[in-house]
Amino acid sequence: EVQLLESGGGLVQPGGSLTLSCAASGFTFSGDGMSWVRQAPRKGLEWVSGITGSGGSTYYADSVKGRFTISRDNSKNTLYLQMSSLRAEDTAIYYCAKYLGPHHVFDYWGQGTLVTVSS
Amino acid sequence: DIQMTQSPSTLSASVGDRVTITCRASQSFTSWLAWYQQKPGKAPKLLIYRASSLESGVPSRFSGSGSGTEFTLTISSLQPEDFATYYCQQYNNYPWTFGQGTKVEIK
Repeated sequence: EVQLLESGGGLVQPGGSLTLSCAASGFTFSGDGMSWVRQAPRKGLEWVSGITGSGGSTYYADSVKGRFTISRDNSKNTLYLQMSSLRAEDTAIYYCAKYLGPHHVFDYWGQGTLVTVSS
Repeated sequence: DIQMTQSPSTLSASVGDRVTITCRASQSFTSWLAWYQQKPGKAPKLLIYRASSLESGVPSRFSGSGSGTEFTLTISSLQPEDFATYYCQQYNNYPWTFGQGTKVEIK
């Protein structure tokens, strides 16, 4: 059974940093690209960042480029999102999600971790 | 970026109704479009990918169609568990973008 378990969310002040983790199990982690998708309170879905199975290529939304870094450790089956220079508008539930094979759609999602940026 | 616009934003329907949700893209592309269902407090669930391919385990009352700039999600006979918010997502170009969502409510 595929499982994705996010952790690392919490309350952080504007300008601060936070690192999210996503522990994966139930599939060959290194074989699948992964992404982070966020959802601000009572708002829609926003793709944040993606990474290929090898970790060799990364992609970002313009809203986070230069502030967020996606990475993965295939030996630990874990996906990361390092977030810095956080802003109030980064407040959201952050989901890690697995790509459906070669399709850049998300067939499995974690339960989400809440990041709140506030003073 | 490709902008995705869903209509309607809210839809009131009854059990057994046929429901259609439309997603329009700001640029034309072939079939790299997906549909998701999200219930309150839960992660989204993939329903359809490549515009019309049904994800494994999804009931056949869900179907997708379209290409170019207009795509549709159809629920042939609405069931009680289908009341939720639905999102389209394009994956033709980075950044992947979602529609704003369509909430299907009980009439």
